[in-house]
Amino acid sequence: DQQVKQNSPSLSVQEGRISILNCDYTNSMFDYFLWYKKYPAEGPTFLISISSIKDKNEDGRFTVFLNKSAKHLSLHIVPSQPGDSAVYFCAASGGESNYQLIWGAGTKLIIKP
Amino acid sequence: DVKVTQSSRYLVKRTGEKVFLECVQDMDHENMFWYRQDPGLGLRLIYFSYDVKMKEKGDIPEGYSVSREKKERFSLILESASTNQTSMYLCASSSRGGSSYNEQFFGPGTRLTVL
Repeated sequence: DQQVKQNSPSLSVQEGRISILNCDYTNSMFDYFLWYKKYPAEGPTFLISISSIKDKNEDGRFTVFLNKSAKHLSLHIVPSQPGDSAVYFCAASGGESNYQLIWGAGTKLIIKP
Repeated sequence: DVKVTQSSRYLVKRTGEKVFLECVQDMDHENMFWYRQDPGLGLRLIYFSYDVKMKEKGDIPEGYSVSREKKERFSLILESASTNQTSMYLCASSSRGGSSYNEQFFGPGTRLTVL
């Protein structure tokens, strides 16, 4: 039973448009959420995070929205650029996860020129 | 500049060989993790360690063991490599500070192929 789910294995978006990546979670004890970006043959790199006391966090072209009642978060990238093509992982922490991060399966984002 | 390094970027081994994957971090982090990444399965935790000589099983520990003799170094051992252990192996570390702020820093990964 996956506690963090990314239901879209892949997403294709035109360059310059908005990319929206979604993530759902089941554990209401999670209180911190992170997005990582991963290029092929490289390790994941931290992108942006949000605490459960907030519903939005913005960093340049990247915005994460958290809807606690729906147990849903989303990552918005505006405008999308070719360098954004990567796999994006959603992760959560809190509750019984201790020092661990609970990971989603990832969404492969493809930005079309 | 914080850094997690892994001993090899690419490795090819034969079935039955003993394989050592080394990971070193220079951030004085207490926690270290080994994951494997396979297409469509995301990051799966193999083992983690929250202190020197301490280890905890993750979700898929079978066929693996680990060693943490020094704070900065965390080794993953495949006792007898099998073809289903062909994968990308990722090492990560994190600070123990704050139960919710568990940002992990990753190494570049080791692409292991077992023939």
